[in-house]
Amino acid sequence: KQEVTQIPAALSVPEGENLVLNCSFTDSAIYNLQWFRQDPGKGLTSLLLIQSSQREQTSGRLNASLDKSSGRSTLYIAASQPGDSATYLCAVKRDAGNMLTFGGGTRLMVKP
Amino acid sequence: DAEITQSPRHKITETGRQVTLACHQTWNHNNMFWYRQDLGHGLRLIHYSYGVQDTNKGEVSDGYSVSRSNTEDLPLTLESAASSQTSVYFCASSDFQGQDTGELFFGEGSRLTVL
Repeated sequence: KQEVTQIPAALSVPEGENLVLNCSFTDSAIYNLQWFRQDPGKGLTSLLLIQSSQREQTSGRLNASLDKSSGRSTLYIAASQPGDSATYLCAVKRDAGNMLTFGGGTRLMVKP
Repeated sequence: DAEITQSPRHKITETGRQVTLACHQTWNHNNMFWYRQDLGHGLRLIHYSYGVQDTNKGEVSDGYSVSRSNTEDLPLTLESAASSQTSVYFCASSDFQGQDTGELFFGEGSRLTVL
């Protein structure tokens, strides 16, 4: 059974810092990995999706990498801003027809 | 713009009552999912559907049912609500056919309180 872990569970940084959020998974046979952002009381917004054949994806100040062999993905946020404060979740899909397995999330606070 | 909407956004009900949460998507996605989110448990899959007339149980399906009579809608029914079903419920959709990446899109959530 796939297990997805996100460490740390919470992170507080001053504005402007570059930071890395970690996601690890136990089964390397994945179809894709997706990073989401969740604001309090809101749904999940997709940030980046990495297919199993890809090593990384970039969107603006966000960069997500994938290392299947080691079962790890990282989300890099450059020049963090208070508006980046949210919970970030990663999720992996085993195959095209399968559901996602979610990590517990990292709650990020960026202080002005 | 295409979207996925859930209703009601907030509901309070009593133990034993039947409750239905609606989910409607306009992307024409084949796949639809219901998750619940609880502190300490993260997001857990309740039921999912890969197309019209197709439904499947997820990891926490007891006490819930779904039906898929068209592509756009996947209502979630709690047959006899229990306090343990107090949670935030999220509907999601995706389409992995053809060139699609299988990216998952979520609704805003429905907060259910069972007293």
